[in-house]
Amino acid sequence: SQQGEEDPQALSIQEGENATMNCSYKTSINNLQWYRQNSGRGLVHLILIRSNEREKHSGRLRVTLDTSKKSSSLLITASRAADTASYFCATAVSGAGSYQLIFGKGTKLSVIP
Amino acid sequence: GAGVSQSPRYKVAKRGQDVALRCDPISGHVSLFWYQQALGQGPEFLTYFQNEAQLDKSGLPSDRFFAERPEGSVSTLKIQRTQQEDSAVYLCASSSDRPQYQPQHFGDGTRLSIL
Repeated sequence: SQQGEEDPQALSIQEGENATMNCSYKTSINNLQWYRQNSGRGLVHLILIRSNEREKHSGRLRVTLDTSKKSSSLLITASRAADTASYFCATAVSGAGSYQLIFGKGTKLSVIP
Repeated sequence: GAGVSQSPRYKVAKRGQDVALRCDPISGHVSLFWYQQALGQGPEFLTYFQNEAQLDKSGLPSDRFFAERPEGSVSTLKIQRTQQEDSAVYLCASSSDRPQYQPQHFGDGTRLSIL
């Protein structure tokens, strides 16, 4: 079953604009991760934010985490055509014997040159 | 190579045939995961290995699915008596120790089509 739900399902923006994607989840987590997937390829890890962190930056990426609302957001600033891809949030559920990542359905981002 | 390698990239099989999908993880990574990704969906967990031990197989959809990692490196996912609903992309991922705290590194997947 899929825990994370990304919003919006699809997003189309002009190059240079910012893109914001949101993710909601249901259970307690160790961390939340964001991945990118280009068409026909595997997933590429972007950023990991731990449950005791509220915000994290990596280059043009900014991730926030609100554990009280069980939600996260991914902001891509100054978008480029090469950012066109599907973006997934994934939660590492806390608890003994829990190893898997639970992915959402993803946000399909199109950046128009 | 430096990344996770999966083969074949594409596999077409007739319903009822058996298939075997291979994953070569990043060297030294003790943790290995298999996921199934349907079209337009996020990956769904199938099974997890720590070295050669299969610690979690709760995501395997039926007893037709079997995975092994006999020497703690290369892994094979086998699907017996394939059915059309098995058509999907099968992704393999590996990570360093303590997978619940580390990012996973994915291969490009095997796209399986059952006719």
